[in-house]
Amino acid sequence: GAVVSQHPSRVICKSGTSVKIECRSLDFQATTMFWYRQFPKQSLMLMATSNEGSKATYEQGVEKDKFLINHASLTLSTLTVTSAHPEDSSFYICSAREGGSPGGYGYTFGSGTRLTVV
Amino acid sequence: GIQVEQSPPDLILQEGANSTLRCNFSDSVNNLQWFHQNPWGQLINLFYIPSGTKQNGRLSATTVATERYSLLYISSSQTTDSGVYFCAVGRGSTLGRLYFGRGTQLTVWP
Repeated sequence: GAVVSQHPSRVICKSGTSVKIECRSLDFQATTMFWYRQFPKQSLMLMATSNEGSKATYEQGVEKDKFLINHASLTLSTLTVTSAHPEDSSFYICSAREGGSPGGYGYTFGSGTRLTVV
Repeated sequence: GIQVEQSPPDLILQEGANSTLRCNFSDSVNNLQWFHQNPWGQLINLFYIPSGTKQNGRLSATTVATERYSLLYISSSQTTDSGVYFCAVGRGSTLGRLYFGRGTQLTVWP
């Protein structure tokens, strides 16, 4: 089945620094990847849709300049949290869907990255 | 967007019991998935089931798309079934996003 690899799984950084999270589709090509954020005991909130070769589409209320998304290839998308603050501490999860046509396949999720900003 | 409601929000069972989790959604969809989020946060895809019925071991799911709901059945619960179960739906093209419910927190006691 489809596998999405996400790294790092856990990161602690100081306020003001930037953190990069990688999301790779290991055995399929993903023209589109999705980035979610999850607060403790909450559901997943879509932050942005990452499109290979073009700019990401951000959900309302998500700061584009703080959460930089780059989808450089069909198998790699990165999320960079710039100038991180404690309120950015959260669980970030990426997902991708195999295949180019509707039906037959669901979305596969990475294992998530727990970011703690101190 | 599509509203997704899951019930119950919390469920506590003793090992061996059966349970039914429900997912209602507000619009037509062509993608519906059930996920189990383990204690480490990993979302495990249980079923891709925009319609019909599927079974996988002790788990089964049924989606009645015309009535906009889906059910996840867990039989003979085990402690390893504990975690949060999410229902997520989507529609439109292959680039469509998923809309998540708030989840059901399942705790299975030995």
